[in-house]
Amino acid sequence: GAVVSQHPSWVICKSGTSVKIECRSLDFQATTMFWYRQFPKQSLMLMATSNEGSKATYEQGVEKDKFLINHASLTLSTLTVTSAHPEDSSFYICSALRTAPGGNTIYFGEGSWLTVV
Amino acid sequence: LAKTTQPISMDSYEGQEVNITCSHNNIATNDYITWYQQFPSQGPRFIIQGYKTKVTNEVASLFIPADRKSSTLSLPRVSLSDTAVYYCLVGLYNQGGKLIFGQGTELSVKP
Repeated sequence: GAVVSQHPSWVICKSGTSVKIECRSLDFQATTMFWYRQFPKQSLMLMATSNEGSKATYEQGVEKDKFLINHASLTLSTLTVTSAHPEDSSFYICSALRTAPGGNTIYFGEGSWLTVV
Repeated sequence: LAKTTQPISMDSYEGQEVNITCSHNNIATNDYITWYQQFPSQGPRFIIQGYKTKVTNEVASLFIPADRKSSTLSLPRVSLSDTAVYYCLVGLYNQGGKLIFGQGTELSVKP
């Protein structure tokens, strides 16, 4: 099946620093990717839609200057958490849209744990 | 975007068939229904997807009635490793594939 990979799987950073998480579609091209965050025991919350070659579309309440999204190629989207604070600690998950004649499908990455200390 | 409603939790025993029903009353004409499985600290894993009637793959079946306002994920003979959260989502073709997650169903399989 289609594979979406995230890196790193987990990262610890100091408060005030920035951290980048990568999301790659390994066996298909994805013009559209999505970024979610998930707190323990809660569902996934959509943060933004990442569009290849154009600006990301952010959900209401998500700070675009804090969560920078870049989708520079058809297989890579990155999420940069800028000036991270402890409240940004969360599980971040990306997904990629695979379009095919038989139907479209969304595949998710393994997720990335961010801990801000 | 179509909203989905699922039971918050379900219990089952090994070897039993488990059916999880999801309601999506305002599903759009071109919406597909997709089910995902999520284990703790992992991304959701695609299980099955369908538009109408019945779809079956190697791990599950998906039953969709004619009005498409609900769907049922059927897991045959569950094992302990099927303990997870199961999410039903609709959309995919509307809103450019943006999927909004509901609460999901936490399935607990006991020995």
